Amino acid sequence: DAKTTQPNSMESNEEEPVHLPCNHSTISGTDYIHWYRQLPSQGPEYVIHGLTSNVNNRMASLAIAEDRKSSTLILHRATLRDAAVYYCILMEGAQKLVFGQGTRLTINP
Amino acid sequence: NAGVMQNPRHLVRRRGQEARLRCSPMKGHSHVYWYRQLPEEGLKFMVYLQKENIIDESGMPKERFSAEFPKEGPSILRIQQVVRGDSAAYFCASSPLVLYNEQFFGPGTRLTVL
Repeated sequence: DAKTTQPNSMESNEEEPVHLPCNHSTISGTDYIHWYRQLPSQGPEYVIHGLTSNVNNRMASLAIAEDRKSSTLILHRATLRDAAVYYCILMEGAQKLVFGQGTRLTINP
Repeated sequence: NAGVMQNPRHLVRRRGQEARLRCSPMKGHSHVYWYRQLPEEGLKFMVYLQKENIIDESGMPKERFSAEFPKEGPSILRIQQVVRGDSAAYFCASSPLVLYNEQFFGPGTRLTVL
């Protein structure tokens, strides 16, 4: 499985944008970039995924570098409910998710 | 459309007993995945099933653990002769029959082995 690298932790303030980076220098052409998050004491929750183009949904935006070796999850206006561990995962097909350590996001009121 | 359901939410077993964890996927989903999260550790893949078939069990411990997803009914993760090291949160996820689609996770079953 291709690997991703994320900062262990990040901190931001409520109502400010948050940019969560992910490096995946060994990504293959067929790997999709998925983001999940896990709130405390809950199961993981899908956030967004993309292949080459930037993607937007109601939760977040995903900016993918032109060479696809890195991506950034953007939370446009963080709330306290966005405090979670965010996982960047490369996925090929309908296969298992390989979770790394993720980034623990803290939101300050 | 109800989400992924897991039961029980909490399960307490004594060493040597059996644990059965159930997962009902979302309606229309034919792929089921099981993951385990040990205390203070990350999520680890265990097994991937489709109806009546095990597709990938590369994350399953070789002994005492088994999984099934019958034609009718929920998927079952079975742990025989539990030990304290089996204490963890077990999450089930499901996805529809479309590649590259997201997995929807259940709330998990928290197993405690005394």
